[in-house]
Amino acid sequence: DTAVSQTPKYLVTQMGNDKSIKCEQNLGHDTMYWYKQDSKKFLKIMFSYNNKELIINETVPNRFSPKSPDKAHLNLHINSLELGDSAVYFCASSPKQGATTEAFFGQGTRLTVV
Amino acid sequence: GNSVTQMEGPVTLSEEAFLTINCTYTATGYPSLFWYVQYPGEGLQLLLKATKADDKGSNKGFEATYRKETTSFHLEKGSVQVSDSAVYFCALPSGYSTLTFGKGTMLLVSP
Repeated sequence: DTAVSQTPKYLVTQMGNDKSIKCEQNLGHDTMYWYKQDSKKFLKIMFSYNNKELIINETVPNRFSPKSPDKAHLNLHINSLELGDSAVYFCASSPKQGATTEAFFGQGTRLTVV
Repeated sequence: GNSVTQMEGPVTLSEEAFLTINCTYTATGYPSLFWYVQYPGEGLQLLLKATKADDKGSNKGFEATYRKETTSFHLEKGSVQVSDSAVYFCALPSGYSTLTFGKGTMLLVSP
């Protein structure tokens, strides 16, 4: 059974479109995240949710809106897609807050905006 | 805030060579330290971790020791294999259980 699963794995879309990426974790974790990985493999936190509540919202354009219907799901909706949004987006979860926390990652969604 | 600096790649080695990937950190207190690995086309997975100073994390032949004196957590492996080719990330917690990652080091192992 996949611990953190995200769909779709690949997403190709035109500029200006709106798209969503879904994420589900079956680990019973309280905290979920979205990370963005650019073409140079650099990983940057976008959002962090704890028990469905937004904890961290880094300097991400407001075209990106996360939604957590329950603590097992964290979806990412992107409006008015731009070329610069092309990247790999990773969902992750962790069991709790604290200095020993490790994260479990999904397989990633490769978004290509044309 | 907490941060990590790791050596830039790519690191290119022949099979059975010795590997070192350097990682140094800046942190408040003594957080846990992690190495993650990303194989081509996949997500990140935890390779090893250390939760306190002088701890040694190990997994799949890889090791890293939490050095408080030098604020380092270098990754080592005595004999790399082609299957170790991947991107390796050093990481530590930052804020509300968020992980801050280094820029990643690509390892390429040739037969």
